[in-house]
Amino acid sequence: AQSVTQPDIHITVSEGASLELRCNYSYGATPYLFWYVQSPGQGLQLLLKYFSGDTLVQGIKGFEAEFKRSQSSFNLRKPSVHWSDAAEYFCAVVTNTGNQFYFGTGTSLTVIP
Amino acid sequence: GAGVSQSPRYKVAKRGQDVALRCDPISGHVSLFWYQQALGQGPEFLTYFQNEAQLDKSGLPSDRFFAERPEGSVSTLKIQRTQQEDSAVYLCASSSRQPYGYTFGSGTRLTVV
Repeated sequence: AQSVTQPDIHITVSEGASLELRCNYSYGATPYLFWYVQSPGQGLQLLLKYFSGDTLVQGIKGFEAEFKRSQSSFNLRKPSVHWSDAAEYFCAVVTNTGNQFYFGTGTSLTVIP
Repeated sequence: GAGVSQSPRYKVAKRGQDVALRCDPISGHVSLFWYQQALGQGPEFLTYFQNEAQLDKSGLPSDRFFAERPEGSVSTLKIQRTQQEDSAVYLCASSSRQPYGYTFGSGTRLTVV
């Protein structure tokens, strides 16, 4: 069965510091992987996605993620965090039929000035 | 419209009341999805439509939940005899080509009192 684990429930970083949010997935075939961001009271905004090819993918707002098949991971990174990045971040895997997402439980990011 | 529109944004229902939540997908998107997001959790799949056909309703938690998309565009999620455990944000997403083009709406926050 497909599943996504985000081990960090909450992370606090200082503005300007680097960020890495962890994501591990369980899926039998080659996964389609996504990172979404959700601000309070808002819907999900797509940051980036991986389907195939280059394992380092670039997204919006300066985010990037690296797919590591050997570790079943798809960690999200940003070299320098801005106060506006404070939000909830969700990793998700989609089956190859694309009929449903399996989301992790999310990581809440707090940015300290 | 340019995005997925959901209404109402907020709904407070008394326990036992019936509610109807509306989703207007992006024009031309054939696929439509409903997800339920409980507080502090990631979204969980409820149901999926392709045009007017409901192809997967495996995520609907009980027979009190019913979704329809009669003309292949607007969809309504109906919850009968609401219970406290139904309190959640209900997210709608549409896609023209799975899994590449998912766009989520801002959601409807349902509170059952």
